Amino acid sequence: QKEVEQDPGPLSVPEGAIVSLNCTYSNSAFQYFMWYRQYSRKGPELLMYTYSSGNKEDGRFTAQVDKSSKYISLFIRDSQPSDSATYLCAMRDTDKLIFGTGTRLQVFP
Amino acid sequence: DTEVTQTPKHLVMGMTNKKSLKCEQHMGHRAMYWYKQKAKKPPELMFVYSYEKLSINESVPSRFSPECPNSSLLNLHLHALQPEDSALYLCASSQRGGRNEQFFGPGTRLTVL
Repeated sequence: QKEVEQDPGPLSVPEGAIVSLNCTYSNSAFQYFMWYRQYSRKGPELLMYTYSSGNKEDGRFTAQVDKSSKYISLFIRDSQPSDSATYLCAMRDTDKLIFGTGTRLQVFP
Repeated sequence: DTEVTQTPKHLVMGMTNKKSLKCEQHMGHRAMYWYKQKAKKPPELMFVYSYEKLSINESVPSRFSPECPNSSLLNLHLHALQPEDSALYLCASSQRGGRNEQFFGPGTRLTVL
């Protein structure tokens, strides 16, 4: 079993839809959770950073962490074509980031 | 400013060449990282420098040689690479301790012929 599991997609949604991206993990010691957005042939861009369980909102993006279920989510409201990218969840283990495999998202007009 | 810069953007090299990748950050971060990313895969950690000292080497072949000349700069020296080393090489930096989220550069796309 991988430490972090993420549905690779691709996920294709119409503009304006609510998108839900999810990761599960097996290591209960993880405490820091991140979501990165990566456009094709570019470096990952940090979108959200959360510590422990709970919700965090930033504009159209909401990150949720449920440590009891070892499950994290990223919600994107009012999705735009510019949101089309690969979304990577990541969890910090001391100095290392453990990444999910990434979910490709396509938002069509 | 959360910018990490990397040069060059693209690099094509033969298997006998020696080249270097450069990374720079001016955020006062004291940890810097090299990652390798193949197409449709997540980044894979190669090296971690903490306070200019190598703290993690993820069993990377010796044809990759990292160097951290000062707290703002990170180099990756390349020698005798193989075609399978073609990938996007990403640099990242973070604070030490606490909220040490990693910020990535745009990457260098390396092609080994």
